[in-house]
Amino acid sequence: EAQVTQNPRYLITVTGKKLTVTCSQNMNHEYMSWYRQDPGLGLRQIYYSMNVEVTDKGDVPEGYKVSRKEKRNFPLILESPSPNQTSLYFCASSFGVGTEAFFGQGTRLTVV
Amino acid sequence: GIQVEQSPPDLILQEGANSTLRCNFSDSVNNLQWFHQNPWGQLINLFYIPSGTKQNGRLSATTVATERYSLLYISSSQTTDSGVYFCAVATGGTSYGKLTFGQGTILTVHP
Repeated sequence: EAQVTQNPRYLITVTGKKLTVTCSQNMNHEYMSWYRQDPGLGLRQIYYSMNVEVTDKGDVPEGYKVSRKEKRNFPLILESPSPNQTSLYFCASSFGVGTEAFFGQGTRLTVV
Repeated sequence: GIQVEQSPPDLILQEGANSTLRCNFSDSVNNLQWFHQNPWGQLINLFYIPSGTKQNGRLSATTVATERYSLLYISSSQTTDSGVYFCAVATGGTSYGKLTFGQGTILTVHP
């Protein structure tokens, strides 16, 4: 089954404790991205990757890192999480520009 | 950047009713998608429809790219249709594939 898989689905952590949210797709998509969803602010892009080893900032990249060492994986790294990074996070993938995007199940992160 | 406006912001229906959701966008797009966010927060793909008309069961969508709007039709609504419906667009160029989302329409279907 074609899908985008995120882990974990739910995470509660403490301020400053490094964490990684994994994202994997099995559709051989070149383009992958991360979004966060916040009440009143909607969904906003954090980072995106056009292919292996090619990444760039989206609209709200501060406090996040990404890597794309393999085509299928695009982890989101929070080196020192803060409470303002409490949010619902989505990973998405697509073949490329103008093609249909598919989203993971979401990761609900709480930083206390 | 591109602006995406959805209407109405809220919609309350009785089961069996029909509804139309609208998405207006401010620039040419190379991607337009409709999503349903269910109560568990998952974003479910409904339609990939940068232009034209598509139907999937009780749902259908039309995008008139030249007039910069898209419509999502829900017929014979069911309680399971409740949730938030998002329209999202991409314009290419320097925003390479980024989806810009509207604020959503919150649909509540009562039995």
